[in-house]
Amino acid sequence: QSALTQPASVSGSPGQSITISCTGTSSDVGRYDYVSWYQQHPGKTPQLMIYGVSNRPSGVSNRFSGSKSGNTASLTISGLQAEDEADYYCGSYTGNAAIFGTGTKVTVL
Amino acid sequence: EVQLVESGGGLVQTGGSLRLSCVASGFAFNSAMGWVRQAPGKGLEWVSVANGDAGGTYYADSVKGRFTISRDNSKNTLYLQMNSLRADDTAVYYCVKVSWNDFLPTDYWGQGTLATVSS
Repeated sequence: QSALTQPASVSGSPGQSITISCTGTSSDVGRYDYVSWYQQHPGKTPQLMIYGVSNRPSGVSNRFSGSKSGNTASLTISGLQAEDEADYYCGSYTGNAAIFGTGTKVTVL
Repeated sequence: EVQLVESGGGLVQTGGSLRLSCVASGFAFNSAMGWVRQAPGKGLEWVSVANGDAGGTYYADSVKGRFTISRDNSKNTLYLQMNSLRADDTAVYYCVKVSWNDFLPTDYWGQGTLATVSS
């Protein structure tokens, strides 16, 4: 199964809001409300930011929010901060497996 | 404190085998666990999951028939037996606690172990 499609890069200035898209198909993102988002800083292990499309784990800033429409899920980061500069990956359940997105590098200008 | 400690990575020739291990502590190990890999400089790739007693196991198409996930709950240890290894299996392999609802990693990840497949 092919990876979910994410933009290669997204950038924004401090304080701005940015949105990262994650496009799948009617067999994964479009069928199940099981989309997660992960943040990975260089040389570090990924950290769960959103699960179940829009749920935040304890300890994750409320500046991070998730949503879904049709076959596309989105992660929005509001009030962008320097520490948000990292790679972001979406993941989706497929029924008998899971798949990740291609990854998006977020740059804080 | 939750810890997932992987071992077993290393350099192996094309067609060879490796067995990865992951020792868990700090949480109830009889929960769903899995493996995720990341090739050098590349993105995440979901590999495999097993439920609490490994009675249910699932694999990515890219490893199906070559990799086997298993666990020994008495030792709090998860395994990944990797056979018929190919160059594109070269990656850091992360042990992860997953949700059995969606097979996706939760917030527990190991530091990873590097497996390098070379001819």
